[in-house]
Amino acid sequence: AQKVTQAQTEISVVEKEDVTLDCVYETRDTTYYLFWYKQPPSGELVFLIRRNSFDEQNEISGRYSWNFQKSTSSFNFTITASQVVDSAVYFCALRGGYGGSQGNLIFGKGTKLSVKP
Amino acid sequence: DTGVSQDPRHKITKRGQNVTFRCDPISEHNRLYWYRQTLGQGPEFLTYFQNEAQLEKSRLLSDRFSAERPKGSFSTLEIQRTEQGDSAMYLCASSGPGTTNTEAFFGQGTRLTVV
Repeated sequence: AQKVTQAQTEISVVEKEDVTLDCVYETRDTTYYLFWYKQPPSGELVFLIRRNSFDEQNEISGRYSWNFQKSTSSFNFTITASQVVDSAVYFCALRGGYGGSQGNLIFGKGTKLSVKP
Repeated sequence: DTGVSQDPRHKITKRGQNVTFRCDPISEHNRLYWYRQTLGQGPEFLTYFQNEAQLEKSRLLSDRFSAERPKGSFSTLEIQRTEQGDSAMYLCASSGPGTTNTEAFFGQGTRLTVV
């Protein structure tokens, strides 16, 4: 079975603080894909990043960085110097690489991030 | 705008009525997905099309739900005899072309309220 766990339901920080959103996944597939999406109050899910299971390089994009560790089945997301506009619900998701799981994104329950000025 | 488009954005219906939602994917995308999201939860997969073929259906997709993508372009999701438990945000996404290791882009969703 595939599963994504985001243990942090809500996080509140003050602007300019760094914040890390945790994501732990379970899958039996040897090839799989991990994603992060942002859902602002407007409701539209915005794609942030995709990571393939065979690529464990961490990635940095501006204030965003992602730490993928297969050994701990984790794909954590860090926002550096947070801003009010970062306030949103963030979802981690998993897609299998073979068979019937190819079309199916499994989402975690999301972490609601509130950044206060 | 070349993003995923969903219509309507909001729908209020009485219990027992039928409703139909439409999704127009990004034009070059061959895969189309429907998800349902309830308050405080992540999106849950409903069904998936590759071109016009419906390749995967979730157990969440009861007999009252039907989805089509007749020409491999837009898709419709119909809910018959709506129940209050059907109240949710219905999200459409598309991805492709190419293999499955591509990200899905989501529309703004259709919020259904069954009264």
